[in-house]
Amino acid sequence: DTEVTQTPKHLVMGMTNKKSLKCEQHMGHRAMYWYKQKAKKPPELMFVYSYEKLSINESVPSRFSPECPNSSLLNLHLHALQPEDSALYLCASSHLSGSSRKQFFGPGTRLTVL
Amino acid sequence: AQTVTQSQPEMSVQEAETVTLSCTYDTSESDYYLFWYKQPPSRQMILVIRQEAYKQQNATENRFSVNFQKAAKSFSLKISDSQLGDAAMYFCAYRSETSGSRLTFGEGTQLTVNP
Repeated sequence: DTEVTQTPKHLVMGMTNKKSLKCEQHMGHRAMYWYKQKAKKPPELMFVYSYEKLSINESVPSRFSPECPNSSLLNLHLHALQPEDSALYLCASSHLSGSSRKQFFGPGTRLTVL
Repeated sequence: AQTVTQSQPEMSVQEAETVTLSCTYDTSESDYYLFWYKQPPSRQMILVIRQEAYKQQNATENRFSVNFQKAAKSFSLKISDSQLGDAAMYFCAYRSETSGSRLTFGEGTQLTVNP
C-alpha cells in the first residue's frame, strides 16, 4: 500500500463552523505533514509530526489544530476560519530515516470558507 | 537559507517532442536531495524523480531524466516523447540533512502538451 488517503475531498464551511480533515497512511511512515496550497502556488508547510509528536509548527494560526492519534492517522481540526483560509489542504507522509525521505502526498481536501 | 528557483512559469511542448524544465537552487550544504513533483489538474502531487547530491550519475525514470549540475546548482528535468498526460504543474524541490524533513519548493512550471 503506497497511498495516502484524505477525507473529505471537498468541504464548504462557514466561519463559525467546526470541522476536521482526516489523513491516513499505512506505509509505516513515522513523519506526517500538513500543507496548505493556493492556486498556482507551491505547497506551504503548516505542521510536521515525527513519531506522533508535533515537531514543526510554521507559525500557523490557532484556528488550525493538528492532531496525530496514532502512527497512521493525522487530523486537522478547523474552527472559526476566515475566507482567506480557502485552499487545497494536502497531507503527506515519509520515513524519518533513509537517504531521501521522499514524501508521498494525498489527493488533498479542497476547502471553501464562506 | 535555501532557495529554489524555477524561471519558467509556463512551458508548452508538442506531443511526442522533448521538453526541458529548468530549476536552480542556492545552498551552502553539501549533502542534499532534489526532487521533481508533478501536480496534474486532479491536484495530487506525484513524485516524478529524485536525485541525491552525492551521486554523479543523473537519475532516470522511463521518459523522465534530469541534468544535475552540482557546481552550477542546476537541476533540470527532461521529458522525452511527451504525452498528453504529462500536462501538469511541475515543482522542483530541495531537502538537506540539516533541514530535516522540510522541503523547499520552487514556484512551479505549468506544462502544456499540445496534440
